[in-house]
Amino acid sequence: NAGVTQTPKFQVLKTGQSMTLQCAQDMNHNSMYWYRQDPGMGLRLIYYSASEGTTDKGEVPNGYNVSRLNKREFSLRLESAAPSQTSVYFCASSSGGRAYEQYFGPGTRLTVT
Amino acid sequence: QKEVEQNSGPLSVPEGAIASLNCTYSDRGSQSFFWYRQYSGKSPELIMSIYSNGDKEDGRFTAQLNKASQYVSLLIRDSQPSDSATYLCAVDQGAQKLVFGQGTRLTINP
Repeated sequence: NAGVTQTPKFQVLKTGQSMTLQCAQDMNHNSMYWYRQDPGMGLRLIYYSASEGTTDKGEVPNGYNVSRLNKREFSLRLESAAPSQTSVYFCASSSGGRAYEQYFGPGTRLTVT
Repeated sequence: QKEVEQNSGPLSVPEGAIASLNCTYSDRGSQSFFWYRQYSGKSPELIMSIYSNGDKEDGRFTAQLNKASQYVSLLIRDSQPSDSATYLCAVDQGAQKLVFGQGTRLTINP
C-alpha cells in the first residue's frame, strides 16, 4: 500500500517549456488535490477533484491545467512554465463525503529558470 | 478567502517541556480541524483531527478546540528533539477543501 505517489521528485525547466506532474493514490479515495508550497506562503490549493469526472479551481489556478484520468490518477500540467511557478508541488487525496482528512504525496520540487 | 492564522515562530522549547501551538480561523461555519506535521524537505503528515469543542488526546498530543473563540491549539507533552518540525493547522472550508495556515516552526532544544 504505497498511499499517494508523485512523479517526478525533482524537475528543472526552462521558461516556456511544458511538463506534466503525475499523481496516483491506491487508497480508493474519491477526492484529489494539487497544492503548491512556497516559503512563507503555506500550502495553496491549485486545483482539486471532488470525485472522478469533476475538477474545480482552487486559490491559484492560473497557468495550470489538470486531468482526473480515473479514480486513482490526477495530473497537473504546466503549459508554458514561468519562473513564478518555481515551487514544491504536493498532491493529496481524501476519501471525500463528510471526511476532510487529506493525505499527501512526497512532493515534486520544480525549478523554472 | 477564509483565513487560518498561526504564529510562524520559531518556537523554541526545552526537551521534556510542553509545546503549545495555536491557530485561529475566520469561518464560523467550519466543522473539521486538523494538525499536520512537516519535517524539513518532507510532505505534511496528518497527526490530529478534532471536530467537537473540548480536548482530544492521542499519546503525547492533545488538540483543543473552542468554536466560540474560533481557536484551535495543539499541545505536545514531554517534547522530544524528534518533534522539531513545522506544524500546520488546517480548517475545512466546505466543498471538500481545506485551508492551511502558514505553519509554526517548532524547535525542541536538548
